Formats: sequence, structure tokens, C-alpha cells
Amino acid sequence: RKEVEQDPGPFNVPEGATVAFNCTYSNSASQSFFWYRQDCRKEPKLLMSVYSSGNEDGRFTAQLNRASQYISLLIRDSKLSDSATYLCVVRPRGNTDKLIFGTGTRLQVFP
Amino acid sequence: GAVVSQHPSRVICKSGTSVKIECRSLDFQATTMFWYRQFPKQSLMLMATSNEGSKATYEQGVEKDKFLINHASLTLSTLTVTSAHPEDSSFYICSADRGPEAFFGQGTRLTVV
Repeated sequence: RKEVEQDPGPFNVPEGATVAFNCTYSNSASQSFFWYRQDCRKEPKLLMSVYSSGNEDGRFTAQLNRASQYISLLIRDSKLSDSATYLCVVRPRGNTDKLIFGTGTRLQVFP
Repeated sequence: GAVVSQHPSRVICKSGTSVKIECRSLDFQATTMFWYRQFPKQSLMLMATSNEGSKATYEQGVEKDKFLINHASLTLSTLTVTSAHPEDSSFYICSADRGPEAFFGQGTRLTVV
């Protein structure tokens, strides 16, 4: 079983749609969780950290379910510019441990 | 703005030559930096953890003599791909942690011809 699993997609959605991505992780002791966005041939960029209480940043909402060991990302009112690959990233222990990446979920928003 | 700067962004080199890639943390010190490689349509693969003032820690399967890492200061880590071959062509990315969050350099696209 992979340490971090995501549906690779692609998710093809029209502008204005709401889309949700899920991610599961295997290490129950994991402490930090993130969603990164990666555009084609670019570096990953932090979209948002994921907290136990859930957090929202504009059109983006992230949730963490520790009991079920999954993380979700909800994007409302999709824009063309949201087209990218969304990486679920987990840090197993502490701040100096390496990050574990999911394979990414590809989102394509069409007009 | 960028908090981690990587240079060069793109390099083409001949087989057998060496290429050095720099990764700098801006406005903060990083005792640990990470080097990744990413092939097309695949996720980032950690190559090594660069530790300031000590030897790098390499992931299984990564040749330490081929991928030389030097972390001589708290703001700079370098990755040198030695005796490059076409199969080393890839996208190399570094990262450094600022607090609990990781920030990535812009990446270096290496093409070995």
C-alpha cells in the first residue's frame, strides 16, 4: 500500500463547478498535512496546510479526518486557472522529517 | 515572493560532464534542505536530505558519488550531477522548510545530450 494515495484523475469539470479530491495516508502517526498545487513543468506551490479543525481559504476548503486517515480538498466555483495537478503531502513526524507525496490529482477546468 | 531560489532553471549539457545546481533559502536559515527528482507525469521522488555541516542522507537507490550534495552554509545547498548521462535528464527540485511548511525552488530542467 502506498503511504499517500490519490486518485490520479483527470477530473474534467466546467467552469463554476465544485470539485472535491480525497487523499488517504497509511501512517496514523502523521502530524502535518498539506495540499500543494503543481502546474506543468513548474515547482509545487503550497496551496494550504490542513488542520484537524478544517480550514478554508476563499474557494478552497481542506478537511482532515484522522480517524479514517484521509484528507480532502474542495474547490468551489472552479476557474480555468485552477487547472493543475494537486498534490496531497504528508509529513509523518515532526518538522524535520521528509515529506511523503501522493502522485497528484490532475484537474482540468474547461470553459 | 519566492522563499527558496534555485539556479539554473534550465541546463543542457553533454554526456560525461558535470552540472551544479544551487538552492538558496531567502530570508531564513535552513539546516536541512531536500533534493527531489521528477520524471514526466510522475510525482516527486526524494533523492537526498542535505544537512548543513554534515553529510547528506541519500535515499535507497540514489548513488551518492554521482549526485554530490554540499550544504556549506545555512542558506545554500548544491547538487552536482557528475558524469551526466542522458538518463539523468529530469526535473530537479529542492525544498527547504520554513516552520512546518516546505517551500520549493523553481526547479532545474536538466537535459543531457
